[in-house]
Amino acid sequence: DAKTTQPPSMDCAEGRAANLPCNHSTISGNEYVYWYRQIHSQGPQYIIHGLKNNETNEMASLIITEDRKSSTLILPHATLRDTAVYYCIASNAGGTSYGKLTFGQGTILTVHP
Amino acid sequence: DAGVIQSPRHEVTEMGQEVTLRCKPISGHDYLFWYRQTMMRGLELLIYFNNNVPIDDSGMPEDRFSAKMPNASFSTLKIQPSEPRDSAVYFCASSSAGTGANVLTFGAGSRLTVL
Repeated sequence: DAKTTQPPSMDCAEGRAANLPCNHSTISGNEYVYWYRQIHSQGPQYIIHGLKNNETNEMASLIITEDRKSSTLILPHATLRDTAVYYCIASNAGGTSYGKLTFGQGTILTVHP
Repeated sequence: DAGVIQSPRHEVTEMGQEVTLRCKPISGHDYLFWYRQTMMRGLELLIYFNNNVPIDDSGMPEDRFSAKMPNASFSTLKIQPSEPRDSAVYFCASSSAGTGANVLTFGAGSRLTVL
């Protein structure tokens, strides 16, 4: 799996958009980008994933650059409950097949009032 | 669905004792994963099953660890004998090939403390 690089921490004001970057410059053509988050003392939670097109669901939007070397997770209106560690993962399988998900150190997002 | 259910939520034991952690995956999910999380090493995949069959156990730290999945609705992770360095939070997760094998639903975790 391609290595991903994320900033160790970020701050965001409540109600504002949180934009979390991820670099995956060595990503291969069949690797998907997955985002998970882990709120304190809970298990990780799946957020969103994509291959090359931008994706949106009820939780967030995922913007992948055209060269696929980086991506941005966008939480459009951050709340205090979005304070968590956010993990960006590149995995060489998607759909019906499982590829190992390697959780790095992630980005600690702190949403403040 | 109640989600992935793990038990016990907390376990405190003494070195040398056997520890058994349990997991009930989401009904209909055909993948099951065991992860371990520590401050030093973060989240590590220990083993995963597909249709109750162990597929990759390369993350299992040593022979003291074993995992079984006797049926689609139950899995155990056993540590025998336990050591203080096994202290961690152990997460079970499940997923479905139909909706995305990499879209994992995690349980709340079992926090293990070995004294």
